[in-house]
Amino acid sequence: QQQVKQSPQSLIVQKGGISIINCAYENTAFDYFPWYQQFPGKGPALLIAIRPDVSEKKEGRFTISFNKSAKQFSLHIMDSQPGDSATYFCAAVSTGNQFYFGTGTSLTVIP
Amino acid sequence: DAGVIQSPRHEVTEMGQEVTLRCKPISGHNSLFWYRQTMMRGLELLIYFNNNVPIDDSGMPEDRFSAKMPNASFSTLKIQPSEPRDSAVYFCASKTHTWGTEAFFGQGTRLTVV
Repeated sequence: QQQVKQSPQSLIVQKGGISIINCAYENTAFDYFPWYQQFPGKGPALLIAIRPDVSEKKEGRFTISFNKSAKQFSLHIMDSQPGDSATYFCAAVSTGNQFYFGTGTSLTVIP
Repeated sequence: DAGVIQSPRHEVTEMGQEVTLRCKPISGHNSLFWYRQTMMRGLELLIYFNNNVPIDDSGMPEDRFSAKMPNASFSTLKIQPSEPRDSAVYFCASKTHTWGTEAFFGQGTRLTVV
């Protein structure tokens, strides 16, 4: 059973464009929502995270939008760059500290 | 700190053989996770240890999979017997138990069962 649903599976964006990745969850016990970035041959690494008492968090070109009532959250990458090409995973973390990841989105930014 | 260290980086084995994947978490981290990554299912949580004790192993696919954490600095994931459908990248991650802190991943072990 997939605890976190992520879409799209792949995304192609022109340099300078906006990349948007969406995630949804059902379990209301989740209370921490990080996004991880993974480059080929590497393990995922934390990109940005949000708590459910905040509706938006921005760090540089990366923004998380969080809708608690809809149980949805999304990652926006502004001014997308070729170096952003990677696989992105959303995650939901339970109060018991278990991390559940989405299926991943492969982002390609075309120069 | 060298980060989370996994070995081997690559493993090719024949169907039916036993496979053991190893993980050394970051010193001081008391939570350890094993994940399996495939194209179809993304990152699947297999098992989660806290203070060396398995807390949740509901993600372990079947009895062929077993995991141990004999001490705070070492964990193993064993598959016996291995099958071609076990082919995937297996990641180990560790973190402190503090809420809202980052989980650090190792480089992964790419397992191919032929």
